[in-house]
Amino acid sequence: AQKITQTQPGMFVQEKEAVTLDCTYDTSDQSYGLFWYKQPSSGEMIFLIYQGSYDEQNATEGRYSLNFQKARKSANLVISASQLGDSAMYFCAMREAGYNQGGKLIFGQGTELSVKP
Amino acid sequence: GAGVSQSPRYKVTKRGQDVALRCDPISGHVSLYWYRQALGQGPEFLTYFNYEAQQDKSGLPNDRFSAERPEGSISTLTIQRTEQRDSAMYRCASSNGQGPFFGSGTQLSVL
Repeated sequence: AQKITQTQPGMFVQEKEAVTLDCTYDTSDQSYGLFWYKQPSSGEMIFLIYQGSYDEQNATEGRYSLNFQKARKSANLVISASQLGDSAMYFCAMREAGYNQGGKLIFGQGTELSVKP
Repeated sequence: GAGVSQSPRYKVTKRGQDVALRCDPISGHVSLYWYRQALGQGPEFLTYFNYEAQQDKSGLPNDRFSAERPEGSISTLTIQRTEQRDSAMYRCASSNGQGPFFGSGTQLSVL
């Protein structure tokens, strides 16, 4: 069974510094997708970034990048130049099978990030 | 529409009543998902559709929960004979090669 683990319940980072949020996963499939979402205190779920298991390059979206280490089964989110508005809960998620084939996402427990001024 | 729309935003009901939660996905999105999220937890998968076909309903907790998407667009999640343990945020998401993108959710409170 697939499983997502986020071992950091809470993290602090100084404004303008970079921060890494950890995510490890467990799957026996060769084809899968990894996702990160941001959930601010307002409660919305914001899609940040996606990485396919066959993608050779690490995914990047603006200040977000995904440090994908397939052999270690890790998919850490790196946020560069942290901003106060980055303070939120961050969820890692995985979906088995190909990205365009639908399928359920399994979420981790989340990491609460607090950015200090 | 521009984003995934869910209604109502809040629903308070008495134990034993039926509730219907509505999701209007992003126009043209093939896949539609229902999740439930307890406070401080990650979203928990309930079910998902491709077009009008329910592909996976393995996450529905019991037979009081059902979902439909009859025309491949709007979906309804129905909870019959609600119980207090059903209280949670119910989230809908849709995707079409990007995302999935989530709606704002329906906060259900069963008294």
